[in-house]
Amino acid sequence: EAGVAQSPRYKIIEKRQSVAFWCNPISGHATLYWYQQILGQGPKLLIQFQNNGVVDDSQLPKDRFSAERLKGVDSTLKIQPAKLEDSAVYLCASSLGGAVSSYEQYFGPGTRLTVT
Amino acid sequence: GDSVTQMEGPVTLSEEAFLTINCTYTATGYPSLFWYVQYPGEGLQLLLKATKADDKGSNKGFEATYRKETTSFHLEKGSVQVSDSAVYFCALGDYKLSFGAGTTVTVRA
Repeated sequence: EAGVAQSPRYKIIEKRQSVAFWCNPISGHATLYWYQQILGQGPKLLIQFQNNGVVDDSQLPKDRFSAERLKGVDSTLKIQPAKLEDSAVYLCASSLGGAVSSYEQYFGPGTRLTVT
Repeated sequence: GDSVTQMEGPVTLSEEAFLTINCTYTATGYPSLFWYVQYPGEGLQLLLKATKADDKGSNKGFEATYRKETTSFHLEKGSVQVSDSAVYFCALGDYKLSFGAGTTVTVRA
């Protein structure tokens, strides 16, 4: 079974530029998550989708971050404009959703963003 | 809100030593508890989980027991190998996970 795919793996941009990350979840997984992992910290949830609807985006800095999940499969996360403090690894995860036992989340390899 | 406090690292051990990583939590209700592992250059992987009090999760020689009375979920392994070198994250939640800061473990041959 193919895992969660993310691209690009690495990205370096200057502050005030824009950037987009792409995620393809495990086939059949209804729930998709984006996390931000700053160096030395644990992942922090940015946004959660159930199919193509947003379940939780309370931690997403909406003045600069946006995310969408068209057709309930792939998702993109965008930052515009980027700030130095956005340097982090952006993780995508997916889960089946539904019953508690189905909430096990599977993570992609992440995109390491460096803002200079 | 729900949160996890995890033992700070880094932790350096010799092969075959006993490993314990402490994890305590604060939560309303009784969320599921998890340990995730991140090997060098790889993504997060679920190591083990427990969904209710007194449950013991186990995998690859690692164990952790969901202790409601002490609000803890400590990770243990009796004899570590070099291949166990990684960052370990304690997490809690059901549909939404809250992670600890991670503990870096290095096992020396």
